[in-house]
Amino acid sequence: ETGVTQSPTHLIKTRGQQVTLRCSSQSGHNTVSWYQQALGQGPQFIFQYYREEENGRGNFPPRFSGLQFPNYSSELNVNALELDDSALYLCASSQSGRTNEQFFGPGTRLTVL
Amino acid sequence: KQEVTQIPAALSVPEGENLVLNCSFTDSAIYNLQWFRQDPGKGLTSLLLIQSSQREQTSGRLNASLDKSSGRSTLYIAASQPGDSATYLCAAGGGNTPLVFGKGTRLSVIA
Repeated sequence: ETGVTQSPTHLIKTRGQQVTLRCSSQSGHNTVSWYQQALGQGPQFIFQYYREEENGRGNFPPRFSGLQFPNYSSELNVNALELDDSALYLCASSQSGRTNEQFFGPGTRLTVL
Repeated sequence: KQEVTQIPAALSVPEGENLVLNCSFTDSAIYNLQWFRQDPGKGLTSLLLIQSSQREQTSGRLNASLDKSSGRSTLYIAASQPGDSATYLCAAGGGNTPLVFGKGTRLSVIA
């Protein structure tokens, strides 16, 4: 069984640029959630995708957008990067249902200069 | 709006001690309470998940309890080891609701 994978591991961008982060869900999982974790903080929910549709969104501006593909992998896109977007971006996959235990990938460390 | 608080923020103990990490949440209408471990700069490793109908879960030296009525969960670590040093996060949610995380407890186990 393959776990959740994310790419790239690290990324450095400058203000105003755009970035795409990728996530492959664990085998058998159909739901992907994205979280942003600033230094010293707990992860904050960005949005969730289920069957290629956005299925809930946290308090993040529209320049944060995403996609889910038929194989349940997912992308997080951030436009017009700001310094405060520097964080660890975590992807979690789960099988929809009441339990919905979430399994996290290793994260992508984004630095915005 | 769900809010999750973890106390203490940091903890340092000598090797071999038993310890308890605390987590409180404001909205008791949750499906799950999940405990994670995070090593510096790394992702989250799921340790234990307690469903709302359960009172506790155990895995090896770890035991987590859940009291929905009081909005509290505890993570008990027995016979702590230096390899247990990490940040421990609790998160409430599950079902179709996203996980809401606390800020974590940073644990150092001194040999």
